[in-house]
Amino acid sequence: DQQVKQNSPSLSVQEGRISILNCDYTNSMFDYFLWYKKYPAEGPTFLISISSIKDKNEDGRFTVFLNKSAKHLSLHIVPSQPGDSAVYFCAGTGGSSNTGKLIFGQGTTLQVKP
Amino acid sequence: KAGVTQTPRYLIKTRGQQVTLSCSPISGHRSVSWYQQTPGQGLQFLFEYFSETQRNKGNFPGRFSGRQFSNSRSEMNVSTLELGDSALYLCASSPGGNTEAFFGQGTRLTVV
Repeated sequence: DQQVKQNSPSLSVQEGRISILNCDYTNSMFDYFLWYKKYPAEGPTFLISISSIKDKNEDGRFTVFLNKSAKHLSLHIVPSQPGDSAVYFCAGTGGSSNTGKLIFGQGTTLQVKP
Repeated sequence: KAGVTQTPRYLIKTRGQQVTLSCSPISGHRSVSWYQQTPGQGLQFLFEYFSETQRNKGNFPGRFSGRQFSNSRSEMNVSTLELGDSALYLCASSPGGNTEAFFGQGTRLTVV
């Protein structure tokens, strides 16, 4: 049972344009969501998070949108830069059975072309 | 502030052996969680400790175990290694509760 899904394995965008990475979840107990960026053979780097009481959170070039009714969140990167090329994971947590536990999607590989 | 430190970075073990991985969390963080990353399964939760108590455990066999010390440092142990245990093992620390978790660089375990 995959509770967090990133349906696009890969995404390619031009430098300077917007990157939009999508994530769907099924567990209605989730009340906190996070996005991580990961390079091969390294640990994930935290990017941005959002609580379920909000529908938007911004941090510099990164904005996360949450649509609770659709159980969908997205990460917008504007403008995209070649250094943003990496694998992006979304994760959800919340509910007593998920104490201290992040449930990750399978990741989306973003390539930003110069 | 120093980040999450995992040792060793790389490890090669033989089937049937056991291995212990170490994680030092960010100073002041009381929660340490462990994840396994493999190409086919993505990032899978192993277990989480908070103030020396295991609060949650993922769907892994009993060969996978862990502990947390009073200084919040954590270790995980895998006994009777199998080829399928080859993976990147990641440790994350957080203050506890619904907050961001910060990951270490990981330990790449290869079982031959």
